[in-house]
Amino acid sequence: QTVVTQEPSFSVSPGGTVTLTCGLNSGSVSSSYFPSWFQQTPGQPPRTLIHNTNSRSSGVPDRFSGSILGNKAALTITGAQADDESDYYCLLYLPGDIWVFGEGTKLTVL
Amino acid sequence: QVHLQQSGPGLVKPSQTLSLTCAISGDSVSDNYAGWNWIRQSPSRGLEWLGATRFRSRWDSYYAESVKSRIVIIADTSRNQFSLQLNSVTPEDTAVYYCARDRYWNYDYWGQGTLVTVSS
Repeated sequence: QTVVTQEPSFSVSPGGTVTLTCGLNSGSVSSSYFPSWFQQTPGQPPRTLIHNTNSRSSGVPDRFSGSILGNKAALTITGAQADDESDYYCLLYLPGDIWVFGEGTKLTVL
Repeated sequence: QVHLQQSGPGLVKPSQTLSLTCAISGDSVSDNYAGWNWIRQSPSRGLEWLGATRFRSRWDSYYAESVKSRIVIIADTSRNQFSLQLNSVTPEDTAVYYCARDRYWNYDYWGQGTLVTVSS
């Protein structure tokens, strides 16, 4: 069974930089998996931050950026702000036209 | 501007069928470049993609392995909407359910979410 892995939790200082990653238990993540990143706040639908590896969605601040780092997809937040404290999920497009979410990373800004 | 409006019951009894509908405005369910998805979220399972339907000269549907044996997602072109049916539900299916559009691998529009509780 395919599992998309993310760090369960991460902490960053205000103004700092943090990189969250998204991997596959069965191999490497590449751009052909069209990785997306979402920010989730309680009671709201997920907010799409990044799609197609590194395309920033409309209205998303440029402190959010996506990339492939080694064998994983990555979301980097540069100059973290207090309201970036949230849950972050990645999503990968897998063979067979299916999508699989990662387990999510709880980001704390303190 | 695309808008997705979800409707359906918030309470379903165990072993029965969960049914939700997502009405589309600002786009066509037959859009050749769009996929129409159902996703759910629960505290225990996080975000879970359930499946999608899309039109590429014909209709196809795709489902997550975890629910493949009991899910149907179907489009209704006359009403410009798509629906989710999840059979034989258990309390584990209690979650907030979302519909969403993906276009060029971008999940750009989401429904408002529907909390569905499975309980007798």
